[in-house]
This record gives sequence, structure tokens and C-alpha cells, in this order.
Amino acid sequence: DIQMTQSPSSLSASVGDSVTITCRASQSITTYLNWYQLKPGKAPKLLIYAASILQSGVPSRFSGSGFGTDFTLTISSLQPDDFATYYCQQSYVVPPMYTFGQGTKLDIK
Amino acid sequence: QLQLQESGPGLVKPSETLSLACTVSGGSLSNVSHYWGWIRQPPGKGLEWIGNIYYSGTTHYNPSLKSRVTLSVDTSKNQFSLKLSSLTAADTAVYHCARLDAIFGVVPSHWYFALWGRGTLVTVSS
Repeated sequence: DIQMTQSPSSLSASVGDSVTITCRASQSITTYLNWYQLKPGKAPKLLIYAASILQSGVPSRFSGSGFGTDFTLTISSLQPDDFATYYCQQSYVVPPMYTFGQGTKLDIK
Repeated sequence: QLQLQESGPGLVKPSETLSLACTVSGGSLSNVSHYWGWIRQPPGKGLEWIGNIYYSGTTHYNPSLKSRVTLSVDTSKNQFSLKLSSLTAADTAVYHCARLDAIFGVVPSHWYFALWGRGTLVTVSS
């Protein structure tokens, strides 16, 4: 299985800050990497797919980059609504064996 | 706007079989461009992919759960379902259904969970 490792596991920041979350794959997944935002009691939300493509309706302060094994999710100018848990997920394997990172909890400093 | 809604029992006994349904509203489950999937999140833990199903019935399962999981689809009800057998406390989780979209024209196609349901908490306890 391809293992996905996120760092940090938790992060504190203030409104207006810029933060970066890192996701590392145990082998190359080229750009088969997606990012999600989870909040308790709400439907998870797709933010970025194919490493860097912003999902329709997602604010442009979210951006993704990376190739191969190392990927980043950057949130610029944090808004109150952005405090949540973020997960990366690989979709490289065929037949599918999707795996997620362990999550990064972003809370208010 | 397409929405997904999970339904099923909130409490199931150990060794029994869990049955959950996901109802698709505002769109058709028979859309050829999508797979439909299940993901779960145990309390305080991360996300685990369970499996995907196509409207035709083609399935893909997580190997770690494959022996206990069955996915099915009912296009007449616009619903797809999950059955998980031989339950233990480790199966306690929030279960989400989701729609998978893809970027086609690349090999392999790039699939991602584009739309999710809110999830339903299933507790396995006697």
C-alpha cells in the first residue's frame, strides 16, 4: 500500500495568517493527490484535486502544489471558516486502493 | 444540486451485519462519469476508504475489508448500499458516502471524492 504522511498533525494560527500543510507519499504518485476539509457534523469538502486544481467554488486562498512524493496545501490569509481538519488522499493505484493521510487539525491560536 | 444522504441504524451488535444506504437526490446515480463510494472515520482517527461501485454494479474494495464488505446499487431508487459483516467495536465510525469524479484522458484516470454526504455514526456495541 502507498502510505501518506501529513505534517504537522496539528497547527495553531490566527485569522489572516498563511499556513502550509505537507503530505508525503511512500512512493511516487505523480499528481494523483487530493485535499479535503473536514468539519464535525458537516459533509467533507473537496478542496484540491490532481495536486493543484482548485475545485469549483473553493476560495482562491487555497492552493496546492507538488509532484512525485511531496505535496503542499497552502491557505493564505486564513478566515474563521478555515479552522478545520485537512486530509490528503492518493488515487494513484489501479485497481483502486485509496489511502488518506492521518489529517492535520488547524485551530485558532 | 446533487446531494447524498446516508441512512441506517445507529447501533449494531457485535458479530451482526451493518446495512447502510446512500440516497442520491438532485441527480442520477446512473451517470456514466461517476463512481460512488464509502469512506469511514472511527472516532478520533483518520479516514479509511471502504469501496466504490459503478451504476452497472462494478465494484472495488479495500483489501483489508474485502472479505466483509458488499456494495450494491439500486438505480430504480437512486440508491447505493453498504453491507459490512462480522462487526466488532473497531467498526464503530462515522460512515460517509460520496460521489467520485474523474479527470479522463490520462492513464490511469484521476479519481477524486468530489461530493460527500454528512455521514452517519454507527456504534457497534452489545
